[in-house]
Amino acid sequence: GENVEQHPSTLSVQEGDSAVIKCTYSDSASNYFPWYKQELGKRPQLIIDIRSNVGEKKDQRIAVTLNKTAKHFSLHITETQPEDSAVYFCAATYGKLTFGQGTILTVHP
Amino acid sequence: DAGVIQSPRHEVTEMGQEVTLRCKPISGHNSLFWYRQTMMRGLELLIYFNNNVPIDDSGMPEDRFSAKMPNASFSTLKIQPSEPRDSAVYFCASSLDRGLLEKLFFGSGTQLSVL
Repeated sequence: GENVEQHPSTLSVQEGDSAVIKCTYSDSASNYFPWYKQELGKRPQLIIDIRSNVGEKKDQRIAVTLNKTAKHFSLHITETQPEDSAVYFCAATYGKLTFGQGTILTVHP
Repeated sequence: DAGVIQSPRHEVTEMGQEVTLRCKPISGHNSLFWYRQTMMRGLELLIYFNNNVPIDDSGMPEDRFSAKMPNASFSTLKIQPSEPRDSAVYFCASSLDRGLLEKLFFGSGTQLSVL
């Protein structure tokens, strides 16, 4: 089955800095790569996703890049704000979503 | 739409008791997923249904766990008998599968504590 590795497990940045979270996956057949944000005590919510036929996707301060050859994808958050503090999960799928272990992002004012 | 609805929000029970978690997916969604979240293991897929049929239950930990989806608007996850190591947050999620997996919408989760 699919195996997703996510790094780093924790990330601390100053407000206004950029944050990058990276994931690798094992199944070359995976074709859908979403990112979820989970605030403390809340449900995971989709923030951005990308399909295998696209190399990059951007939505305001958030962008995702995909390298199918290397089987890795990354989340980029620019101009971070304290409300970006949360746990971020990457996932990969060919039929069912397999999640990474999560990254705890802390943005200091 | 009210989104994915789970009940109860919190469940505290004693070891050996039966626990039943409930989920109502978003109307029109044809795929339903049960996930378990713990600090140690993260988000684990337990089972998923497509058009009410269980497709993959390889994530179900053991025979103490069972899940059903009797119709398109209701699913249950049952643990019998429960054990302290089952303590976790259990999420139900639904999506519209039209050949390509679409985004998952999660419920608020059930926080289960087995004493």
